[in-house]
Parts: sequence; structure tokens; C-alpha cells
Amino acid sequence: AQSVTQLGSHVSVSEGALVLLRCNYSSSVPPYLFWYVQYPNQGLQLLLKYTSAATLVKGINGFEAEFKKSETSFHLTKPSAHMSDAAEYFCAVSPAYSGGGADGLTFGKGTHIFIQP
Amino acid sequence: EAQVTQNPRYLITVTGKKLTVTCSQNMNHEYMSWYRQDPGLGLRQIYYSMNVEVTDKGDVPEGYKVSRKEKRNFPLILESPSPNQTSLYFCASSNRLNTEAFFGQGTRLTVV
Repeated sequence: AQSVTQLGSHVSVSEGALVLLRCNYSSSVPPYLFWYVQYPNQGLQLLLKYTSAATLVKGINGFEAEFKKSETSFHLTKPSAHMSDAAEYFCAVSPAYSGGGADGLTFGKGTHIFIQP
Repeated sequence: EAQVTQNPRYLITVTGKKLTVTCSQNMNHEYMSWYRQDPGLGLRQIYYSMNVEVTDKGDVPEGYKVSRKEKRNFPLILESPSPNQTSLYFCASSNRLNTEAFFGQGTRLTVV
């Protein structure tokens, strides 16, 4: 069994400020972890993924996330928010044997980022 | 261009009128899946398929059917839609190595 908890359904960030989205997971087997981004009226796009290599993962658009097994966390950060970061962000977990494909993903409820000028 | 294509993008229908949402991928992927997205609930898996003629239930399969007669297509069928199936639906696909799931643009369904 696996599950994902994202803290906060929405966050408001000033342009240029740090972005921090929290994600905690639960998994009975070694997990792969993902962050997806959804822009308005679009599908989900992979932002970054952890697949048991380096614990600090860098993704697109300046985002990064750190896998902390002891805390069962995979928080997403970006040093300086940009207006174009306004979107919905989803954390997801998959059993490592499934690899993060279309069959085994479990998503969190999502966090919407609002960017203030 | 590699893509997952869903049709239609928007659909308004009446309770009980059978409908099909199509999903097609051009990446020769083995795995395909359907999700529904509802406010405050995130994405929940409806059905998935690991290859032609192989399908299995996800977390919320009630009221839905799927088929996988061809590798590229994975239609979602609502035999008798009800208002609680009003949602945003996404199709996704990935290959057997499962490095990444690719998502369609979504289908916004309203059942009145």
C-alpha cells in the first residue's frame, strides 16, 4: 500500500521568494517519487523524479527536491519564484518495481501555487 | 511528436446516456491508465492496462469500463453516466521500462 500527503491545498508566494511545497509519503516497498506540474487547461508534466540514485534531484524550471527516507519526505523547492510557476503541483509515489509508469502511480491531492507580483 | 491524445476535450451529457472517451498514444507504450481528477482529491486511478487484452481495476472503477483491443488505444466507457461522474479525466501511458508516465490533455465531462 502507498499514499501521499501534500500539506496545504494552496500556497501564495511573492515573485522572487522561495517556493516550498511539502510532500510526505507512505510505502510498504522502496518507492520512486515524483513531482508533476499541471498548468491551466493542460495535462500533467513531469517536473522531476527520484529513482533511488541521488537523493537531491534537480528538475525542470529550476525546481529541485530532496528525498529523506528518515522523514519519509520529498519536499519540492525553488529558490526564486517566477510568475510562470503559477500552477497545480502533484506529488506522486510508485513502487520501485513499477518504476513510475502509468500503472502504479498514487497521487497526492495537489497544491496550487499563487504568485504575487 | 510523441503524445497521448484524448477525445473529446469537453463533453456535456445527460444521465444514463452511454458515452466513450477515447485515448490514443503513438509511442508504442505497453502500459496505459485512466485517472479522474476532482477538486481536493487529486488524481485517482480508475483502470489500467499492462498490455493488449490485459486490464485491471484501479482505486475507483465503479461505473466505468475499459477495453484494450489494440496497443495504441484505451477507451473509457461510461455505460450509464451519473452526475457523480462529472470530473476531469486523464489518460496516461508508459513503456514496459516505466521510466515516465505521459499524460493526455484531459477530458472535462459534465453529467446533468
